[in-house]
Amino acid sequence: DAGITQSPRHKVTETGTPVTLRCHQTENHRYMYWYRQDPGHGLRLIHYSYGVKDTDKGEVSDGYSVSRSKTEDFLLTLESATSSQTSVYFCAISSPNYGYTFGSGTRLTVV
Amino acid sequence: DQQVKQNSPSLSVQEGRISILNCDYTNSMFDYFLWYKKYPAEGPTFLISISSIKDKNEDGRFTVFLNKSAKHLSLHIVPSQPGDSAVYFCAASEGNNNDMRFGAGTRLTVKP
Repeated sequence: DAGITQSPRHKVTETGTPVTLRCHQTENHRYMYWYRQDPGHGLRLIHYSYGVKDTDKGEVSDGYSVSRSKTEDFLLTLESATSSQTSVYFCAISSPNYGYTFGSGTRLTVV
Repeated sequence: DQQVKQNSPSLSVQEGRISILNCDYTNSMFDYFLWYKKYPAEGPTFLISISSIKDKNEDGRFTVFLNKSAKHLSLHIVPSQPGDSAVYFCAASEGNNNDMRFGAGTRLTVKP
């Protein structure tokens, strides 16, 4: 949708394993974001990037790391997944007039 | 610390009637407000926005009202259609939008 794709769409992983989620954009936008969506909390910012190799923490960054080696790719890594990280993860890019454009989401289950 | 609050988890209205979704915020520095709509298994999509210099913005059936003194905004949908059934998120940011805060969402159901 609007040049932003997330992979995988679904993933089940075991507690303690590393997990990487990928966000790919074809819009050449400078800013990219990772959010998680949980019932009762809405969308909460995990990390964001304002350029290649330029990232910063969001509201709920503990347990997550990110990397951006190319403009088009923004990776979210859970170094050691925990059950509290079971969530739906959304990547977003900034649109000049429309706030953010979101990807379709990745549903992650940590068992 | 939820700076944007949507206190109604759900709302049900009849087709053709008005839907009013409410949102409150606590950070007086917020100056840009947006509404997003989300269908199941999809990402949120932008619906309408308003800046703090205005108190109303209209786009077709959708109107957003901003009351800065009350730190309150609302989304009006008139007339409501079954296709409007979705979760609606209110969002707010201060200046640049690198830390946009979202409410918990309101699930709207429009009954035929």
